[in-house]
This record gives sequence, C-alpha cells and structure tokens, in this order.
Amino acid sequence: NAGVTQTPKFRILKIGQSMTLQCTQDMNHNYMYWYRQDPGMGLKLIYYSVGAGITDKGEVPNGYNVSRSTTEDFPLRLELAAPSQTSVYFCASSSTAFEAFFGQGTRLTVV
Amino acid sequence: GQQVMQIPQYQHVQEGEDFTTYCNSSTTLSNIQWYKQRPGGHPVFLIQLVKSGEVKKQKRLTFQFGEAKKNSSLHITATQTTDVGTYFCAGPAVINKFYFGSGTKLNVKP
Repeated sequence: NAGVTQTPKFRILKIGQSMTLQCTQDMNHNYMYWYRQDPGMGLKLIYYSVGAGITDKGEVPNGYNVSRSTTEDFPLRLELAAPSQTSVYFCASSSTAFEAFFGQGTRLTVV
Repeated sequence: GQQVMQIPQYQHVQEGEDFTTYCNSSTTLSNIQWYKQRPGGHPVFLIQLVKSGEVKKQKRLTFQFGEAKKNSSLHITATQTTDVGTYFCAGPAVINKFYFGSGTKLNVKP
C-alpha cells in the first residue's frame, strides 16, 4: 500500500521562486492536511480539506495556496518563496476524525 | 485560537527508567490523539482517547485523558532505546482540524 505520497523529498529554492509540493493518497480519504515543521518544533497546520472542492485555512496559511480538485490529490503551492518558509512539509490524510496518515515529508530550503 | 501545550520539551532517561509527557489544552477537547515521530521520520499515529477519564494501554505505554477533557498524559514504563523519538499530542479545534502540541523529545541512553 502506497498510503500518502509526497514529492519531491528535497528541494532548494531561491528567494522569490515558486513551486508546488505534490501530495497524493490512495486510501480514498476525504480529509487531507498540510503541516510544516520547523527544526526542533511541532507541526503547524497550513491548510486542510474536508473533500474535493473544499479547502480552509489552518494556523499559518500566509504565503501558501492549495487546491483539491480530486479526492486523491492535495497540492500545496508556494508563491514568492521566502527564507521563513524553510521547513519540512508534511501532507496527511484521514477518513474521519481519527487516525491521520502522514507522508514522508518534503524538506524545503529557501536561499 | 486553540492552544495545546506539552511538557517537558526534552527528557533524557537511562534505559529502564520511566517517562511521562503531559498535554494541556486551553479548551475542552472532544478527543485527543498521540503520535510518535522517530528522528528524521514522519509522525505515526499511536492512539486516540475520546471519553472523560479514559485510560488505554499499549504494552509499556499508558495513555490517560483527564476528567475535564482538557489534559492528557502518555507514560512509558521501563523505556527502551526503541522508544527514542518525539511524542506529540493533537487535539481538534473543529472536526478534523487537529492542532499539534510542541512535542516532547525523548532520548534514551543505553
């Protein structure tokens, strides 16, 4: 079982560049999430989605955008990358208010 | 917004010693989840507590949910080196919008 797959695993961006972090899940989960984890810190919720076509902001949405056109995919878009966005990004999914399955993470460095 | 606080931030123990991490919320939680993240890894679900005063056990791990549903604890008996990692609690602000605590990093010396 693939579970939650994130690509890429690593990326270095220059300040001002844009990129999309991909996330796909094959468990038919309605709920999907994007978190960021700064070094030695906890996870901060960026955006989440309760189903295709529905997204909402989390704790730290500024500088990011998301879309949910299908149940499987939940890409995270970074526009005008800034050093403050250097972090590890985790995508997760769940079927109900229960166990969340996390992807392996994308380690992003903005220089 | 909802705050989920966790203490301690770090804990260093000798193998065989016990370990406890505490999670406190500013608001009443409908449920609370616990996750473990190994160094360099991703969070992995351990358990969910729903009922007031609930206690659940998984081998050497004991999870408790407070009577007021505002706090929770994870206790590990006789730690092993395989217990190394960061333990997070997560509570929902609204349905399926989970906020994570800052985590407790556990180091176990053999």
